[in-house]
Amino acid sequence: DAGITQSPRHKVTETGTPVTLRCHQTENHRYMYWYRQDPGHGLRLIHYSYGVKDTDKGEVSDGYSVSRSKTEDFLLTLESATSSQTSVYFCAISPSTLAGAIDSYNEQFFGPGTRLTVL
Amino acid sequence: LAKTTQPISMDSYEGQEVNITCSHNNIATNDYITWYQQFPSQGPRFIIQGYKTKVTNEVASLFIPADRKSSTLSLPRVSLSDTAVYYCLVGSNYGQNFVFGPGTRLSVLP
Repeated sequence: DAGITQSPRHKVTETGTPVTLRCHQTENHRYMYWYRQDPGHGLRLIHYSYGVKDTDKGEVSDGYSVSRSKTEDFLLTLESATSSQTSVYFCAISPSTLAGAIDSYNEQFFGPGTRLTVL
Repeated sequence: LAKTTQPISMDSYEGQEVNITCSHNNIATNDYITWYQQFPSQGPRFIIQGYKTKVTNEVASLFIPADRKSSTLSLPRVSLSDTAVYYCLVGSNYGQNFVFGPGTRLSVLP
């Protein structure tokens, strides 16, 4: 399995409090992602990173911020948690794009997930 | 963004071949088709990926017609342990333009 861990694995917090989730990889992969998973929605991309200090928004970025100061760590912050952010959060990593005429897609390796409950 | 459509759920019996079809009418030239498997309380796991025609690995086959507007994941001789949610994903690393759909919940019965 790819060397990817998430912390904490479970967290219960109250509305309005800040929360930071950490994703750590030992694979030196270029891309890192944060997803949330809710019943009936599959996985939705929150933010992603394509290098140190290089990040961009995904499909559901409102209310979330990210930071990547080192290759191995990608942090997801909820500045002021709301009940609608109760979800399971997955981090994923992916190696660099392969060279070629068509920009390929490399598989993503997912972490074990963090279950966040906002009361 | 290339949007995918899959059946919400499917049932099968042990030993049968299972085919799950995914529609992706807006697939772009640079997009690849990838399938993931997810068990409860775990992150998704890569199964197979293809660009066109047929791809086979040790766990599955992926059939992609010439127009690439759909794809079919084929699982040969399923077992109880294949009960999971299967996601079809279409996209490329360019702009990270990929979206997971709600997936297909496969239940394998004894």
